[in-house]
Amino acid sequence: EAQVTQNPRYLITVTGKKLTVTCSQNMNHEYMSWYRQDPGLGLRQIYYSMNVEVTDKGDVPEGYKVSRKEKRNFPLILESPSPNQTSLYFCASSPGIGAGYTFGSGTRLTVV
Amino acid sequence: QQQVKQSPQSLIVQKGGISIINCAYENTAFDYFPWYQQFPGKGPALLIAIRPDVSEKKEGRFTISFNKSAKQFSLHIMDSQPGDSATYFCAASPPQAAGNKLTFGGGTRVLVKP
Repeated sequence: EAQVTQNPRYLITVTGKKLTVTCSQNMNHEYMSWYRQDPGLGLRQIYYSMNVEVTDKGDVPEGYKVSRKEKRNFPLILESPSPNQTSLYFCASSPGIGAGYTFGSGTRLTVV
Repeated sequence: QQQVKQSPQSLIVQKGGISIINCAYENTAFDYFPWYQQFPGKGPALLIAIRPDVSEKKEGRFTISFNKSAKQFSLHIMDSQPGDSATYFCAASPPQAAGNKLTFGGGTRVLVKP
């Protein structure tokens, strides 16, 4: 089944404790992206990747890092999480420009 | 600054009724306008999409209407069913968008009452 898999689904952590949210896709898509979803704001892009070793900032990159060492994986790293990063995070992949995204099921992160 | 404004934030419709969600955009370079449907606990899923060379696109009970001069597009859900209860997001992207970036509206929570 074609899918984007994120882990974990739920995470509660404390301020400053580094964490990684993993993302993997099995569709051989070139493009991958991380979005965060907050009430009333829709989804905002954090980082994106157009291919292996090619990543760039989206609209809200502060406090986040990403890497794309393999085509299928695109982890999101929070080096020092803060409470304002409490949100619902989605990883997504797309075969190309102008094509729709396939989203993962989301990771609900709470930073206390 | 939200480049895609979506309204209403929520709506309630009776089974069999029509749900209408509107979006307005600012960037005239946008040329791809998808709608996503999201159920609780799930990620958004592509529902239907339109490009500005057509004014309307229909897929089953879902129709996108597009008004290029007004920079507006809307989703109509005909014969709404309880299973359509979800949050709907409009989105837009320009050609050659870096990273295939989509700019999303704020979302509309639709509740269809039986």
